[in-house]
Amino acid sequence: GAGVSQSPSNKVTEKGKDVELRCDPISGHTALYWYRQSLGQGLEFLIYFQGNSAPDKSGLPSDRFSAERTGGSVSTLTIQRTQQEDSAVYLCASGVTSYEQYFGPGTRLTVT
Amino acid sequence: DAKTTQPTSMDCAEGRAANLPCNHSTISGNEYVYWYRQIHSQGPQYIIHGLKNNETNEMASLIITEDRKSSTLILPHATLRDTAVYYCIVRVATGGGTSYGKLTFGQGTILTVHP
Repeated sequence: GAGVSQSPSNKVTEKGKDVELRCDPISGHTALYWYRQSLGQGLEFLIYFQGNSAPDKSGLPSDRFSAERTGGSVSTLTIQRTQQEDSAVYLCASGVTSYEQYFGPGTRLTVT
Repeated sequence: DAKTTQPTSMDCAEGRAANLPCNHSTISGNEYVYWYRQIHSQGPQYIIHGLKNNETNEMASLIITEDRKSSTLILPHATLRDTAVYYCIVRVATGGGTSYGKLTFGQGTILTVHP
């Protein structure tokens, strides 16, 4: 079946611009997560959504970052006034059980 | 969540078993051990998880010591496609395993499988 998809696969933006990254989770998955991975670094948790519960935003690095999940499905991660340190691969994952998280291919964001 | 310690890198010959160790000496009784891997330029992939019993699936086996302070992921017949970063993660699961919380990834072990 279809896996987690993310778009765009690559995004180059100028410093100070806003960007939106999209995640389409696997159908029926109630949990959705965003992580980011900077060059040569491990994965860093950003935010997760579980059903209708309030999202866990504890990993968002600043108030320039926000995310929403509409209708319990598609999610958008928005970064306002991008900075060069925001350059990273942004990964989305979805899941049903607590054990397995299925990751998408990621969006590579480059801020120039 | 408990901290884990893994070797930075390991090598393995193709066709041989790859044994990847992980220390988690501060693990709590309700924390599970998870293994994920990340092949270059791809998102992480779930491999296996366990609480205290040894586990096996189509990808790998997980051996957890009796005191649960360490574990070993075994890839029985490594192939070149198994070259990846392998992450050992310890995380609590609650309510019979229905916690949906975040995963905290460390630096992992870079496994290189040689022809």
